Amino acid sequence: DTGVSQDPRHKITKRGQNVTFRCDPISEHNRLYWYRQTLGQGPEFLTYFQNEAQLEKSRLLSDRFSAERPKGSFSTLEIQRTEQGDSAMYLCASSFTRDQETQYFGPGTRLLVL
Amino acid sequence: GNSVTQMEGPVTLSEEAFLTINCTYTATGYPSLFWYVQYPGEGLQLLLKATKADDKGSNKGFEATYRKETTSFHLEKGSVQVSDSAVYFCALSPNTNAGKSTFGDGTTLTVKP
Repeated sequence: DTGVSQDPRHKITKRGQNVTFRCDPISEHNRLYWYRQTLGQGPEFLTYFQNEAQLEKSRLLSDRFSAERPKGSFSTLEIQRTEQGDSAMYLCASSFTRDQETQYFGPGTRLLVL
Repeated sequence: GNSVTQMEGPVTLSEEAFLTINCTYTATGYPSLFWYVQYPGEGLQLLLKATKADDKGSNKGFEATYRKETTSFHLEKGSVQVSDSAVYFCALSPNTNAGKSTFGDGTTLTVKP
C-alpha cells in the first residue's frame, strides 16, 4: 500500500492561468476528499466523492473550481482563472467504507499564484 | 455547525517535559475525534482517534480521551522528544454519512534539546 499520492507537489502559476492537480487515493478506498489549507490554518473542506459520485461541495468551492473522479479511482481538481487568493496547499485524502471517518492524507500540492 | 477549538500556540518545551494540547469541540450528535500531526512540508498523518465517549486513543506515547461531558479531546504525552516537533491538529468527523472532517487551526510544538 503506497498511500495517497498527489501530483504535482508544487505549482507556480500566473494569475489568470488554469491549473489542474491530481490525486491517487489508497487502492480500494471508495471515498476521496479535497481540502484547502492556508498558512497557519487547519484544512478546510472543499468537496468529496464516493466512488465517482461527487456527494458534497463546500461554499468555498467557487464556480472556478471543478473536481472530477471519472472512474472512481484517481481524482482531479481544476482551478480556472487563478487568483492570488487561491495560493494555498491543496490536500487530498481517502477513506474506506468500513471506517469512513478515518481519512488518510496525501502530501499535498502547494500552489503559488503570482 | 461543527467546530473545533485548539489552544493557541506556539508551544515550546524542553526534551522530556510533559505535553498537553487542549482541544474542545462543538458538534451535533456523537462525532469521532482525531489528532493529526503535520511535519514541515508534509501532509497530515493520523496520530490517534476515538470514536465514542470515554474512549482513549493512543499512539507513539501520545494519548487523548474523548470527554463528552466537557466536549474535549486533549492531547497528552508524558515525555516529549525533539522529533515530536511538528504542528498538531485536532479534528472531528460526524458519525453519519456526511463525510467531511472539521479541523482546528493547529498548534505548533517545538521541543528543544
